[in-house]
Amino acid sequence: QQPVQSPQAVILREGEDAVINCSSSKALYSVHWYRQKHGEAPVFLMILLKGGEQKGHDKISASFNEKKQQSSLYLTASQLSYSGTYFCGTEFGSSNTGKLIFGQGTTLQVKP
Amino acid sequence: GAGVSQSPSNKVTEKGKDVELRCDPISGHTALYWYRQSLGQGLEFLIYFQGNSAPDKSGLPSDRFSAERTGGSVSTLTIQRTQQEDSAVYLCASSFLAGTQYFGPGTRLTVL
Repeated sequence: QQPVQSPQAVILREGEDAVINCSSSKALYSVHWYRQKHGEAPVFLMILLKGGEQKGHDKISASFNEKKQQSSLYLTASQLSYSGTYFCGTEFGSSNTGKLIFGQGTTLQVKP
Repeated sequence: GAGVSQSPSNKVTEKGKDVELRCDPISGHTALYWYRQSLGQGLEFLIYFQGNSAPDKSGLPSDRFSAERTGGSVSTLTIQRTQQEDSAVYLCASSFLAGTQYFGPGTRLTVL
């Protein structure tokens, strides 16, 4: 039941765009995105609830496709500070329980 | 405190010994979560506490693992008869109800 993230790793040049996908085989209630830098704790980016909403946070945005049980994280005009490992945490079922199952992560490296 | 704190930050133990890891959640947060992160891996759900409800222990890997939360605040994760495969970073997170989870810095456990 662990969600599948793709790609596993991506290398970008500053200013390039990237998309990270998170897919589930089970019905999702919500998807939470986190970024973790090496040796640090994961930091919250955004939550998406079922209903196909889209959110933005500076040049980072995300969407949730309820039919496909998939969320995508979009990083546009990437900056060096975007480097890290991105995790999606998925909440299953039909209610807000708080219990998250995380994907394996996508490592993003932004080079000058 | 301002954020989630965990202690110790590092723990080295010998195989077969018991260890206790502590988590102090953000004041006022009702939910507390434990995760395990092995080297280069994702976040593996272990257990979570929500208010006064019975904890969800579905992620505990074996009966050597247990956790308690006293007074609805501080939590202790205990690993009995540690094995080398228990070596990992143990992360704690807290949230208000089932909202955004805020992570602590983690405890790095090394079993020799």
